[in-house]
Amino acid sequence: GENVEQHPSTLSVQEGDSAVIKCTYSDSASNYFPWYKQELGKGPQLIIDIRSNVGEKKDQRIAVTLNKTAKHFSLHITETQPEDSAVYFCAAPKGGGSQGNLIFGKGTKLSVKP
Amino acid sequence: EPEVTQTPSHQVTQMGQEVILRCVPISNHLYFYWYRQILGQKVEFLVSFYNNEISEKSEIFDDQFSVERPDGSNFTLKIRSTKLEDSAMYFCASSDRPTGDGYGYTFGSGTRLTVV
Repeated sequence: GENVEQHPSTLSVQEGDSAVIKCTYSDSASNYFPWYKQELGKGPQLIIDIRSNVGEKKDQRIAVTLNKTAKHFSLHITETQPEDSAVYFCAAPKGGGSQGNLIFGKGTKLSVKP
Repeated sequence: EPEVTQTPSHQVTQMGQEVILRCVPISNHLYFYWYRQILGQKVEFLVSFYNNEISEKSEIFDDQFSVERPDGSNFTLKIRSTKLEDSAMYFCASSDRPTGDGYGYTFGSGTRLTVV
């Protein structure tokens, strides 16, 4: 089955700097890679996702890149702000077009210092 | 923006008691999920539900767990006889298309279950 590894587990940056979080997956049939942001006491919120037919997707200060050959994908946050502080989870579905569940990484706690 | 609604936000129960966690998925969604998150750990899949039946379940989802869609709007998770290790945040999620086809889903804000 799918296995998702996420690094780093914690990340501290100065406001205005960039932050990069990386994930690897094991199932080459996986075709969809979302990133979720979880603030304290709340449910995970989808912030950006990418499908396997593209290599990069951008939404304002957030971008995701996908390398299917190497089976890894990354979240890039530019010009970080204190409100970006949260736990970020990457995920990948069980591959093969099933109704499958999402397998989550262990999360990265991002702290943005003013 | 449409939301997945979960109630209660916090439930405290005695070990061995039954609990029912409730969710109202987004109205036009067809796929429903329960996940749990033990404090400080990753989000773990419990079960997915489609067309009035379980489509997948994890090894966590043993005989003590059951799900039901009793009417057109609610989706419930029942734990028959709670154990201390069931203490966690339980998240409901829904989607209008299967994740295997490249689509994500929306999570609710969770129910914090504390078993004492």
